[in-house]
Amino acid sequence: NAGVTQTPKFRVLKTGQSMTLLCAQDMNHEYMYWYRQDPGMGLRLIHYSVGEGTTAKGEVPDGYNVSRLKKQNFLLGLESAAPSQTSVYFCASRETANYGYTFGSGTRLTVV
Amino acid sequence: AQKITQTQPGMFVQEKEAVTLDCTYDTSDPSYGLFWYKQPSSGEMIFLIYQGSYDQQNATEGRYSLNFQKARKSANLVISASQLGDSAMYFCAMRESDSWGKLQFGAGTQVVVTP
Repeated sequence: NAGVTQTPKFRVLKTGQSMTLLCAQDMNHEYMYWYRQDPGMGLRLIHYSVGEGTTAKGEVPDGYNVSRLKKQNFLLGLESAAPSQTSVYFCASRETANYGYTFGSGTRLTVV
Repeated sequence: AQKITQTQPGMFVQEKEAVTLDCTYDTSDPSYGLFWYKQPSSGEMIFLIYQGSYDQQNATEGRYSLNFQKARKSANLVISASQLGDSAMYFCAMRESDSWGKLQFGAGTQVVVTP
């Protein structure tokens, strides 16, 4: 089925470890976004991309890096995980001419 | 500054009753879009309804309608004839025209539908 796939779905990290979250979409969408969701705060934008090879910072970019080497993939990296990065991470994509967004199912990350 | 405000952290509603979820927004952009999403306990984000700032009529999608009051910068979601499956977190979000499609979300409202 077409859509946005996030891997992994769950992960527990120790403080200081690194990891990469993968977001893959098969809809040829130009725009992709990474959000984090914390209780009482809704979703906040971490980084986004408006096309292959381009990325930009969102509202809460500190501690994260991203890459979009291929149009279909948007990677979110944590170089040195901190407990404050415990959250649920959502990826979304959007076609430029359409108002709709497609969200992935989320990645629940716990940093201990 | 918070651009989307949802003042109701949680609410209970009886099955078959209507419920209104409040959302106010702040923007100086004349062209913007407003969205409502539903997040059930399973965690996925489900799109419900969209309202463009230039749309003349309030948006409706089945049992969902959006009460759009542009001058008051209000975009309340109305769910008619609530069902047990409507129990979820509901988010209001806004996209401004010069924002590269970035969505700004409110904190959400938790709705519990009781029999």
